[in-house]
Amino acid sequence: ETGVTQSPTHLIKTRGQQVTLRCSSQSGHNTVSWYQQALGQGPQFIFQYYREEENGRGNFPPRFSGLQFPNYSSELNVNALELDDSALYLCASSLTGRGLWGDGYTFGSGTRLTVV
Amino acid sequence: QKEVEQDPGPLSVPEGAIVSLNCTYSNSAFQYFMWYRQYSRKGPELLMYTYSSGNKEDGRFTAQVDKSSKYISLFIRDSQPSDSATYLCAMTSTNAGKSTFGDGTTLTVKP
Repeated sequence: ETGVTQSPTHLIKTRGQQVTLRCSSQSGHNTVSWYQQALGQGPQFIFQYYREEENGRGNFPPRFSGLQFPNYSSELNVNALELDDSALYLCASSLTGRGLWGDGYTFGSGTRLTVV
Repeated sequence: QKEVEQDPGPLSVPEGAIVSLNCTYSNSAFQYFMWYRQYSRKGPELLMYTYSSGNKEDGRFTAQVDKSSKYISLFIRDSQPSDSATYLCAMTSTNAGKSTFGDGTTLTVKP
């Protein structure tokens, strides 16, 4: 069973609303990445956090923001929701300080967000 | 055009067949290459990773990287029904947490 837990598993929001998605990583995993996976597509990198600071960002607008906490949990916040934000949102965490590829990343099962 | 293109599938094979999954990419800065397996309603699970060009074998799985052609492959020998899933290639120039993924190939292995 994965050591990364995401909540909620499913969520329905209305266009224009704001949403917060949560991720709880394994103890010691100080690097967390968030991805957006639209139906039938591969995950797209949103941003990464390392020791509570943003450590790289993909091609997503500023209304996508995040936080990482000392207890190895993190949040993804999306403001002004659009219909195209409907997707599976995945978080992935790694033990290595900078999340080097050799350690791999453990993904959670995701939050399925539907914007209507 | 996407940085990573993956053979779309879907792919359906009989049990015991050899499966070949492929991706091409355009960014020559990519140097770390990964294959993930994703079951329905689950997050991706790392299968194999390779640095630069070459082959890597792990049980029934073999990953190949040809950087000169910007082409990577995953071979599955003696495929099993439990291998039925979506396979995603991913690659990065920095760390695996900032990967660029292909769109996946859905594989069905029929008993």
